[in-house]
Amino acid sequence: EDQVTQSPEALRLQEGESSSLNCSYTVSGLRGLFWYRQDPGKGPEFLFTLYSAGEEKEKERLKATLTKKESFLHITAPKPEDSATYLCAVYSGGGADGLTFGKGTHLIIQP
Amino acid sequence: KAGVTQTPRYLIKTRGQQVTLSCSPISGHRSVSWYQQTPGQGLQFLFEYFSETQRNKGNFPGRFSGRQFSNSRSEMNVSTLELGDSALYLCASSLTDNYGYTFGSGTRLTVV
Repeated sequence: EDQVTQSPEALRLQEGESSSLNCSYTVSGLRGLFWYRQDPGKGPEFLFTLYSAGEEKEKERLKATLTKKESFLHITAPKPEDSATYLCAVYSGGGADGLTFGKGTHLIIQP
Repeated sequence: KAGVTQTPRYLIKTRGQQVTLSCSPISGHRSVSWYQQTPGQGLQFLFEYFSETQRNKGNFPGRFSGRQFSNSRSEMNVSTLELGDSALYLCASSLTDNYGYTFGSGTRLTVV
């Protein structure tokens, strides 16, 4: 059974204070690891897909990295509008359980 | 291009009733998945449809069912509603299995 654990559960940063969110996973065979951002009352918004260890992707102040056991979402010089819940999910295929999501990290950026 | 559209946005139902939720995927996307999101359990996979066929099903009771039409639009149905079915129901569409899934804004179902 695929498992995803995200840490920390919540994180409060000052504007401009860089940090990283962690996503640890256990899968039988990774076919994709996804990062999403979710704002209150809305559906998750797709950020990145990573497919293999060593892969990195960037978008504005966000950078996602992947190893064989975990993924990191690095946030550089965040702004208040980066406040959201960040979700990590894995897909192993095999006709099982769709995407398996972690519980998310609730990020608050204070001005 | 238009995103994933879910209707209705909000719904209040009474225990024992049934409900049908609708999802229109992004044009060209043939895979449609449904998820239930609650504060305690987070996002949990319900089922996935591809070309009108259910490919995968999560660990939910048979009261939860769905279907997909030839135009890729999908519906999910919950019968004999229970208080615990109150949740945000999210639909997601994708081009392929491991491509990024695009989610709709969800249907907020409240069972009273």
